[in-house]
Amino acid sequence: DAGVIQSPRHEVTEMGQEVTLRCKPISGHDYLFWYRQTMMRGLELLIYFNNNVPIDDSGMPEDRFSAKMPNASFSTLKIQPSEPRDSAVYFCASSWTGTGGTEQYFGPGTRLTVT
Amino acid sequence: GENVEQHPSTLSVQEGDSAVIKCTYSDSASNYFPWYKQELGKRPQLIIDIRSNVGEKKDQRIAVTLNKTAKHFSLHITETQPEDSAVYFCAAVVLGSSNTGKLIFGQGTTLQVKP
Repeated sequence: DAGVIQSPRHEVTEMGQEVTLRCKPISGHDYLFWYRQTMMRGLELLIYFNNNVPIDDSGMPEDRFSAKMPNASFSTLKIQPSEPRDSAVYFCASSWTGTGGTEQYFGPGTRLTVT
Repeated sequence: GENVEQHPSTLSVQEGDSAVIKCTYSDSASNYFPWYKQELGKRPQLIIDIRSNVGEKKDQRIAVTLNKTAKHFSLHITETQPEDSAVYFCAAVVLGSSNTGKLIFGQGTTLQVKP
């Protein structure tokens, strides 16, 4: 398996622009998580899905952020409009329900820079 | 909600020495405690985990101990090697019947192993 796939790996955009980050979880995994990592705030969970349904979005910082999971193999995190403080590394992770399903497998991350 | 405190923030040891990283959590219902290792520029990866019904778990040179009464858990790395240099994150979560939950991460410890 290729693991969790994220695109793009790097994104540089100007303040006010819309940014869309994409994630493909590991096949067969039914949980998908979006994290944001910064030096100041560390690694924080933004939202997670189970079977394509959002379960907990309490970590989404504000209405500028939205996430969707239209099917089991694809999710997006959108920021509109983007701001410089959104600059961070965004990780997607997936896991599988079951006796061995506690490990979360992280993707390589998307490094977002908003100027 | 759950809060996880991690100490120290940085740790420097000589190759061959032991390293200990400590975490405390606030939610007594937390029942699963994973540790993730993140090498520079890479994704976090699970290295060891422990459930609340176990006091200690070992895997070669790494071990984790859990004190539920005091609500703290620790990562122990023996015979450290330069490749152990990385950022280590502890986390705590209340696992539901689905065997998955919302991970709350500590702030991370940057471990440097000097050759």
